[in-house]
Amino acid sequence: TQLLEQSPQFLSIQEGENLTVYCNSSSVFSSLQWYRQEPGEGPVLLVTVVTGGEVKKLKRLTFQFGDARKDSSLHITAAQPGDTGLYLCAGGTGSARQLTFGSGTQLTVLP
Amino acid sequence: SAVISQKPSRDICQRGTSLTIQCQVDSQVTMMFWYRQQPGQSLTLIATANQGSEATYESGFVIDKFPISRPNLTFSTLTVSNMSPEDSSIYLCSVEQGIGDTQYFGPGTRLTVL
Repeated sequence: TQLLEQSPQFLSIQEGENLTVYCNSSSVFSSLQWYRQEPGEGPVLLVTVVTGGEVKKLKRLTFQFGDARKDSSLHITAAQPGDTGLYLCAGGTGSARQLTFGSGTQLTVLP
Repeated sequence: SAVISQKPSRDICQRGTSLTIQCQVDSQVTMMFWYRQQPGQSLTLIATANQGSEATYESGFVIDKFPISRPNLTFSTLTVSNMSPEDSSIYLCSVEQGIGDTQYFGPGTRLTVL
């Protein structure tokens, strides 16, 4: 069984601060997705990374896929209250066509 | 990316009854998935639904409790049968589309069982 450990579970920071969320596994994934979910809505895809060592930037968000494709990180620069939400990482193996989800990080950005 | 809608968005049901949740996609997709999520927590896969074949259920979920239909490439239903308060949860459908195993999610159905 593949597991994705996500940390931290909860994060409360002030507006303007930087933060990093980590997603780690002992298994190799062929792709890694990051989602953000707000209350009452479904998860919204932020990014998909597929190449070891890949770095993708989406405005103030930077996503990195580990060289060995076992881990990933999400870094947010100058967090804003609108970044508040549940962040989920999910790994795909290609063969099973399913995703393994991390436990989630509940981020609160205080004004 | 696919646009996915779910009906109903929320419902309050009595113990022992059944609820059918609909999932509609604006494009044809091969694989659809049904998840359960407790508020603020991660997602648990219930089953994978491919058109023209029986759904594949994950450990802990059975067809009698969660029957699934997949009549065509744009639609699926999940029924929560003989409900109990423990079934209170958010139910999400998703579709696989794009690179990797990327999935896109519907807005969810919030179910409360009294």
